[in-house]
Amino acid sequence: QKEVEQNSGPLSVPEGAIASLNCTYSDRGSQSFFWYRQYSGKSPELIMFIYSNGDKEDGRFTAQLNKASQYVSLLIRDSQPSDSATYLCAADGDSGGYQKVTFGIGTKLQVIP
Amino acid sequence: GAGVSQTPSNKVTEKGKYVELRCDPISGHTALYWYRQSLGQGPEFLIYFQGTGAADDSGLPNDRFFAVRPEGSVSTLKIQRTERGDSAVYLCASSLMQGFMDGYTFGSGTRLTVV
Repeated sequence: QKEVEQNSGPLSVPEGAIASLNCTYSDRGSQSFFWYRQYSGKSPELIMFIYSNGDKEDGRFTAQLNKASQYVSLLIRDSQPSDSATYLCAADGDSGGYQKVTFGIGTKLQVIP
Repeated sequence: GAGVSQTPSNKVTEKGKYVELRCDPISGHTALYWYRQSLGQGPEFLIYFQGTGAADDSGLPNDRFFAVRPEGSVSTLKIQRTERGDSAVYLCASSLMQGFMDGYTFGSGTRLTVV
């Protein structure tokens, strides 16, 4: 059973702080990793993807991947109340990539004004 | 269309009834996926279409669930003899075959409630 593990939270951070969201995955064959943001009652929205070890930055978001540790993280700098949402980590399968993505349970982030 | 369109947005049905959920993917996207998301959980894979054929239906929970995509565009997820446990948000996503590393674009989902 391929698994993606996340702490469900909630993770509370003050406005302007860095929010750090973490995820581990079980399938060593996974090649691509995704972070989705999901507001309450809405569908998931892709915010970052990463497939190389190291960091990938996009605006206030930085995704980090460590394949040796099977660990993925998302950093949100200068957190804003509008960042309050559930963040889903996802990993592709080992069958060639894109057919099936496994999601974690999601971490609920609360940014306190 | 501009995005992935799912209809209906909400469906309430009685236990034992048959339902159909429709997904209209982004124009030109050859890959189409159905996921199911229960309250407090992440999306759970159901089925993947590449073109008209179901390339992977390993996530369908049982034979009450069936999905088609006859012309390689619109897809319909069909659930027979619905049960209360089928209540969830059913999400459809599409992607370019070549763009698998870009991730999915999800539709707004169909919230199914079986009473």
